[in-house]
Amino acid sequence: EPEVTQTPSHQVTQMGQEVILRCVPISNHLYFYWYRQILGQKVEFLVSFYNNEISEKSEIFDDQFSVERPDGSNFTLKIRSTKLEDSAMYFCASRRFDGGDTQYFGPGTRLTVL
Amino acid sequence: EDQVTQSPEALRLQEGESSSLNCSYTVSGLRGLFWYRQDPGKGPEFLFTLYSAGEEKEKERLKATLTKKESFLHITAPKPEDSATYLCAVGSNFGNEKLTFGTGTRLTIIP
Repeated sequence: EPEVTQTPSHQVTQMGQEVILRCVPISNHLYFYWYRQILGQKVEFLVSFYNNEISEKSEIFDDQFSVERPDGSNFTLKIRSTKLEDSAMYFCASRRFDGGDTQYFGPGTRLTVL
Repeated sequence: EDQVTQSPEALRLQEGESSSLNCSYTVSGLRGLFWYRQDPGKGPEFLFTLYSAGEEKEKERLKATLTKKESFLHITAPKPEDSATYLCAVGSNFGNEKLTFGTGTRLTIIP
């Protein structure tokens, strides 16, 4: 069964450094998402992406964040200058185009900012 | 603003002891209500999508139901492997893509 994959599984970085989190969505899906979950808190929406552009973003998704689909298979989240409060699990999700509403999530990347 | 409230926060059951988890929601036009299972340190794993009041879906020991204000996840004769956090989320019809999640119910099944 096709799955969303994410790399790396764990990323440790110093405050102020740039990080790129990578995702490979399910191959026939056309809508892509990033969510985050701070330890012990709820899953929060960051951004949705369709047809090579952002379709919606939350207040969390400020100028420090960007997303890109650099090729036909990868979807990336970049954090330009990490802060301590960016430490969280980051989940990528994808959804089919043909009316299917369900978002399928990847296993996550644990980001630790020191 | 869309809101999802799940109860109880945690639930401990003996193996074989059936129970229900609750998800209350407010949303501006329900596009769908989603149940996911999350194991520690893992991503949400899709279980069910419900679209309209009265709809029911079943999978093994789990059954999800939907009313206009809430959804229930019924677990029948649970096994220890059903231990996980169960997340409820809603999607809205009004032009946005995001899912709004509740805080989840942490279910523990004791052998």
